[in-house]
Amino acid sequence: QKEVEQNSGPLSVPEGAIASLNCTYSDRVSQSFFWYRQYSGKSPELIMSIYSNGDKEDGRFTAQLNKASQYVSLLIRDSQPSDSATYLCAVAEKLTFGTGTKLQVIP
Amino acid sequence: DAGVIQSPRHEVTEMGQEVTLRCKPISGHDYLFWYRQTMMRGLELLIYFNNNVPIDDSGMPEDRFSAKMPNASFSTLKIQPSEPRDSAVYFCASTDVLSDEQFFGPGTRLTVL
Repeated sequence: QKEVEQNSGPLSVPEGAIASLNCTYSDRVSQSFFWYRQYSGKSPELIMSIYSNGDKEDGRFTAQLNKASQYVSLLIRDSQPSDSATYLCAVAEKLTFGTGTKLQVIP
Repeated sequence: DAGVIQSPRHEVTEMGQEVTLRCKPISGHDYLFWYRQTMMRGLELLIYFNNNVPIDDSGMPEDRFSAKMPNASFSTLKIQPSEPRDSAVYFCASTDVLSDEQFFGPGTRLTVL
């Protein structure tokens, strides 16, 4: 089992819809979780961090963490074509990234 | 701040040659990371430093790879000899707190023929 798992996609959603990206991790002691966005040919950039169970909202983005289920997700509301990218889930203490989910927002 | 700086941005070399990748972290950041990204394996941590000292090099694939950080503002990743399977994008990242956000450089795209 990989330490951080994501569905590779591509996940296609129409413009204006909600995109839901999921990530599971294997290390129960992990405390810090991050979502990075990576455009093709570019470096990863942080869009959300979450440390406590529950939801954390920032603009159109909501991160959800459930430590009991070892599950973290990212919701993107009102998806825009500019959101089309690969989204990487990262677990900090193990410094481990998932392989990423490619999101395509269809105009 | 200029962010994390990496050079070269692109490197094309022939199998067996030595390759040196360079990184300048953000000033004040005590942690520096080297990653390799491929389509098949995603983003893999190779090694990270804290205060110029290598902390975990378990991700370094084999003895052909070596990394140094002679001072707080410079690090190198060397591959000798290079092989075609080393072709990937190599990222350097830095942060001031291990559990906090990492800032990535633009990456070096390495092609080994």
